[in-house]
Amino acid sequence: GAVVSQHPSRVICKSGTSVKIECRSLDFQATTMFWYRQFPKQSLMLMATSNEGSKATYEQGVEKDKFLINHASLTLSTLTVTSAHPEDSSFYICSALLGLADYNEQFFGPGTRLTVL
Amino acid sequence: GENVGLHLPTLSVQEGDNSIINCAYSNSASDYFIWYKQESGKGPQFIIDIRSNMDKRQGQRVTVLLNKTVKHLSLQIAATQPGDSAVYFCAETSPNTGNQFYFGTGTSLTVIP
Repeated sequence: GAVVSQHPSRVICKSGTSVKIECRSLDFQATTMFWYRQFPKQSLMLMATSNEGSKATYEQGVEKDKFLINHASLTLSTLTVTSAHPEDSSFYICSALLGLADYNEQFFGPGTRLTVL
Repeated sequence: GENVGLHLPTLSVQEGDNSIINCAYSNSASDYFIWYKQESGKGPQFIIDIRSNMDKRQGQRVTVLLNKTVKHLSLQIAATQPGDSAVYFCAETSPNTGNQFYFGTGTSLTVIP
């Protein structure tokens, strides 16, 4: 089946630093990927839609200058949390959209646990 | 985002019993729904999906029911096993949301051996 990987799986950083998270579709090409964040015991909140070769589309309330998204190839999207602060600590999950026949299905990565000290 | 919510945040069932997890959605234009299972510290895993032109779909031990009249979705798990313990989310998408999927609150299912 379609596999999506994320790197790193876990990262701890100091407040004020920037962190880059990679999302890769391993065995398929994805023109569209999504980034979510998830707080403990809560649902996934869609942050942005990442489109290969164009600017990401951000959900309302998500700062695009804070969460930089780059989808430079059909198999890689990156999320950079700039000047991270403790409130940015969360579980970040990406997914990649795979078009199958007459519908699209998204496959999720394993997530990245970000802890900002 | 869209308002996709679940009625019960937690559910405990005895091993071998059937489980029913419910979900309500508010966007009448939604035409595709997916149930996901998420184990602790992992990404969501696809369980089953259903399109709006159907009202029932069955998989292995799982059945999804869709009631478009009341905008309600349910996931039924037959003969629940300890390995089914996880958080379950419904997600929906519609033509006017550009392939974005919006997730419900989630229900934590605990299977008691």
